[in-house]
Amino acid sequence: ETGVTQTPRHLVMGMTNKKSLKCEQHLGHNAMYWYKQSAKKPLELMFVYSLEERVENNSVPSRFSPECPNSSHLFLHLHTLQPEDSALYLCASSQDRTTSVRQYFGPGTRLTVL
Amino acid sequence: GQQVMQIPQYQHVQEGEDFTTYCNSSTTLSNIQWYKQRPGGHPVFLIQLVKSGEVKKQKRLTFQFGEAKKNSSLHITATQTTDVGTYFCAPPGGGNKLTFGTGTQLKVEL
Repeated sequence: ETGVTQTPRHLVMGMTNKKSLKCEQHLGHNAMYWYKQSAKKPLELMFVYSLEERVENNSVPSRFSPECPNSSHLFLHLHTLQPEDSALYLCASSQDRTTSVRQYFGPGTRLTVL
Repeated sequence: GQQVMQIPQYQHVQEGEDFTTYCNSSTTLSNIQWYKQRPGGHPVFLIQLVKSGEVKKQKRLTFQFGEAKKNSSLHITATQTTDVGTYFCAPPGGGNKLTFGTGTQLKVEL
């Protein structure tokens, strides 16, 4: 599936760096999500955007800053991260933000914080 | 609040054997979705179940939704190496969002 793309696919950064993850969906969906997937942990929902408005922030530390400039693009800005933030960051989209519709995931960005 | 348990956490089978993973909720669910994630890949939607007692089949995969809509299962008949991956159930959580289970990691040996 190429409906949801993410860049970069891999990222290594130091704790003082600032970087951004990008997600783009080509499906005409109205809702977009950021998830964190750590080893041996369930998928953790971080943020939800619906029609470009943030509707969910699951107690995510402020060193993670999302941005949704339009319905097709979603960014996750990273600054002063910690080693425990190393994980796979997955973007997803869905037609709307109800739980009765499927979510389409991007390939993810594998983030390593040194 | 809702608690979702998925068992087993790991399953190692010989190719050709059957496999089942179970998802149990403490509350009644309006629906439940299932996803598969291959090693190194991302979750991919498999199916959604909505009705009490519903059974759906996709080739060798059989999905069931319990009569009380509190549990669900995924059964794979005669596993193949292509079935390797982690299977997640995803019922609705609070606040109109999906809650992903811990997943069952399936390994298939030749």
